[in-house]
Amino acid sequence: AQSVTQLGSHVSVSEGALVLLRCNYSSSVPPYLFWYVQYPNQGLQLLLKYTTGATLVKGINGFEAEFKKSETSFHLTKPSAHMSDAAEYFCAVSTILTGGGNKLTFGTGTQLKVEL
Amino acid sequence: DTEVTQTPKHLVMGMTNKKSLKCEQHMGHRAMYWYKQKAKKPPELMFVYSYEKLSINESVPSRFSPECPNSSLLNLHLHALQPEDSALYLCASSQDVTSFKETQYFGPGTRLLVL
Repeated sequence: AQSVTQLGSHVSVSEGALVLLRCNYSSSVPPYLFWYVQYPNQGLQLLLKYTTGATLVKGINGFEAEFKKSETSFHLTKPSAHMSDAAEYFCAVSTILTGGGNKLTFGTGTQLKVEL
Repeated sequence: DTEVTQTPKHLVMGMTNKKSLKCEQHMGHRAMYWYKQKAKKPPELMFVYSYEKLSINESVPSRFSPECPNSSLLNLHLHALQPEDSALYLCASSQDVTSFKETQYFGPGTRLLVL
């Protein structure tokens, strides 16, 4: 079964500092990986996804992630944190369902706090 | 337009009540999903509809009854819920039912409190 592990349930950074949120995957087949963000009392919004091709993926709001097969990782980064980045971030892996649709299996999430 | 709408935003119900949650998308997506999210936890898949047919039920108790009346609409009927069913219920949709790569677009959720 495919799974993802997010290291660090809480990450705190200063405004303007580098953001690094860690995600490692476990999969016997090439994985399709996603990062979603959830602001308080809202649904999930896609930041970026890796399917095939370029291993460095750029997303919205200045975020990017690099797929590293040798390290089974898909860490999320942003060069300079902004106060508005404070949110819960979920890494997810996609599994196709025989009956149709795809199942997202989420990591446990990382709460990002941005301090002045 | 990548919007999934959900109503109501908040719902309080007693254990003997019957209520329904509604989800709508007009993106032409053919797969629709219900997720349950407890506080400080990731979303957990409950049901998947593919071309308006139930394709996955993740061992959800029968007090939750999904319905897909048409390709744009997804309902979740609730009956005789327990306090532990209190959670944020998220609806999502995706375009292609046959691909790993498809992005799921999430609605804002319905926050349910069962008293």
